[in-house]
Amino acid sequence: QKEVEQNSGPLSVPEGAIASLNCTYSDRGSQSFFWYRQYSGKSPELIMSIYSNGDKEDGRFTAQLNKASQYVSLLIRDSQPSDSATYLCAVFTSGTYKYIFGTGTRLKVLA
Amino acid sequence: GAGVSQTPSNKVTEKGKYVELRCDPISGHTALYWYRQSLGQGPEFLIYFQGTGAADDSGLPNDRFFAVRPEGSVSTLKIQRTERGDSAVYLCASSPRTSGIDGEQFFGPGTRLTVL
Repeated sequence: QKEVEQNSGPLSVPEGAIASLNCTYSDRGSQSFFWYRQYSGKSPELIMSIYSNGDKEDGRFTAQLNKASQYVSLLIRDSQPSDSATYLCAVFTSGTYKYIFGTGTRLKVLA
Repeated sequence: GAGVSQTPSNKVTEKGKYVELRCDPISGHTALYWYRQSLGQGPEFLIYFQGTGAADDSGLPNDRFFAVRPEGSVSTLKIQRTERGDSAVYLCASSPRTSGIDGEQFFGPGTRLTVL
């Protein structure tokens, strides 16, 4: 079992729709969770961080964390073609001080 | 302020050669990470520095890879006797702290290494 799992996609959604990206992790000791956006040929860009159970909203983005289910998700409302990118889930465990990344989900927003 | 910078942006070398990749973190960030990213994969952890010392180098694939951070700021990743399988994008990231909470890390633009 991979430490951080994401569906590789592509996930295709029409413009204006909600895109839902999911991530599961295996280490129950993980305490910090991050979503990065990566455009083709560019480096990852941090878009959301979440540390406690529940929802965290920032503009069109909402991160959701459920530690009991070891599940973190990212919702993108009113998806735009410019949101088309690969979204990486990263999990930080203080015991190891490592950030473990998933393989990323490729999102395509269709105009 | 300036973000994380990496040089060179591209490096083409021949099999068997030695290369150095440089990372200049965000000023004041004590934690520095090196990753390797292959096409279609997420960043793969290589090594983590807290200050000048390598706190965890368990991700380095073999003893051809070595990294230093002598003054607690700039870091250099060194690869000896390069192999074609070393071709990837090498990413550096820095973080202000390693407590986990608020331990957001920020990436540089990466160095694309191609070994012919």
